[in-house]
Amino acid sequence: DAGVIQSPRHEVTEMGQEVTLRCKPISGHNSLFWYRQTMMRGLELLIYFNNNVPIDDSGMPEDRFSAKMPNASFSTLKIQPSEPRDSAVYFCASSLESPGADTQYFGPGTRLTVL
Amino acid sequence: AQSVAQPEDQVNVAEGNPLTVKCTYSVSGNPYLFWYVQYPNRGLQFLLKYITGDNLVKGSYGFEAEFNKSQTSFHLKKPSALVSDSALYFCAVLSLGDSWGKLQFGAGTQVVVTP
Repeated sequence: DAGVIQSPRHEVTEMGQEVTLRCKPISGHNSLFWYRQTMMRGLELLIYFNNNVPIDDSGMPEDRFSAKMPNASFSTLKIQPSEPRDSAVYFCASSLESPGADTQYFGPGTRLTVL
Repeated sequence: AQSVAQPEDQVNVAEGNPLTVKCTYSVSGNPYLFWYVQYPNRGLQFLLKYITGDNLVKGSYGFEAEFNKSQTSFHLKKPSALVSDSALYFCAVLSLGDSWGKLQFGAGTQVVVTP
């Protein structure tokens, strides 16, 4: 199994530009998570999807952030417009069942730098 | 509120010596506890989890963790550390929301194993 796939691995952009991060979960997994990791705040859950439906987006920082999951094998996290404080590593994770005690498998992450 | 604490920012150990990474938790109800490891420029990798049953949980790469309900702890251990164990380790507790569970991660502990 290829694991969770994220693209791009690195993104450098200028303030005000739109950024789109992509994720392909593990085949057969029906739960998908977007996390953000920074030195200051650690790992933060941004949004959780189950069966392609957003269940909890309470961690999304503000309206500049949006996430979609048009089908079971693809999700995007968009930031528009981007700001320097959005610089972080963004992880996508997936799990087999609705989160109860099931293991989440993480992708390699996208390192975003906003200048 | 559910929370998890990793009291040590960094743990230094010589290769061949025992390694312990501490984690304490606070939850209402039965805890579901996890350990993940993050190598540089990589996503988080699942090591082990405690859901129920035997208090001693064995996981990947020779790691194990002991669930101690009275001390609300879930310390990660390895009898003989390797230089390749140098990484960032995260403890996580499952926080049960209204209809699904959200992983609450600790701040992480950097493990440095010296030859």
